Amino acid sequence: DAMVIQNPRYQVTQFGKPVTLSCSQTLNHNVMYWYQQKSSQAPKLLFHYYDKDFNNEADTPDNFQSRRPNTSFCFLDIRSPGLGDAAMYLCATSFLGLAGSEQYFGPGTRLTVT
Amino acid sequence: AQSVTQLDSHVSVSEGTPVLLRCNYSSSYSPSLFWYVQHPNKGLQLLLKYTSAATLVKGINGFEAEFKKSETSFHLTKPSAHMSDAAEYFCVVSQTGGGADGLTFGKGTHLIIQP
Repeated sequence: DAMVIQNPRYQVTQFGKPVTLSCSQTLNHNVMYWYQQKSSQAPKLLFHYYDKDFNNEADTPDNFQSRRPNTSFCFLDIRSPGLGDAAMYLCATSFLGLAGSEQYFGPGTRLTVT
Repeated sequence: AQSVTQLDSHVSVSEGTPVLLRCNYSSSYSPSLFWYVQHPNKGLQLLLKYTSAATLVKGINGFEAEFKKSETSFHLTKPSAHMSDAAEYFCVVSQTGGGADGLTFGKGTHLIIQP
């Protein structure tokens, strides 16, 4: 089945130690998103790629970076994780151009910072 | 500008009774509206979407929602709750056509199902 895959599902990192979260998709969608979701809150968009064009949200900290080497893969890099970065990180995709195109979400990666 | 208000942070119903989760929106454009469900430690799953076709939208797992432009509402309903419906529900609004960055999430409603 076509889907959005996130690895790992659970990630533990140390304060200040760089960490990379991975997302892949088999939907061939042109847009990929990264969201941060803290406990009991709605997902918060960090940035998205429209094809190769990177779009950063204005309030996304510089500590968060992203790479999209090809259509299928997108990575979230946290350069120096702080305790406040502990959250669920959700990857999503959509196909821009379809009316009312919804986003398809992966299962998420729960990040713990020790 | 667009916004979403989910009127209840928590809703508790008994199994087998109807479910109503309320959502009001505001949008400068003809909106697309979505309901997503999130079970604990899982990603978001699309329940249903409205994209300017029929105002009564049927989704998965027996859920449906009615788009009421005059009331700027998009409430989610289900005739009979099941224990597996216990989850967090998000109402989401988008500009027409989806838009790569046009999604606005409500704060979520936590649905509790009492046995």
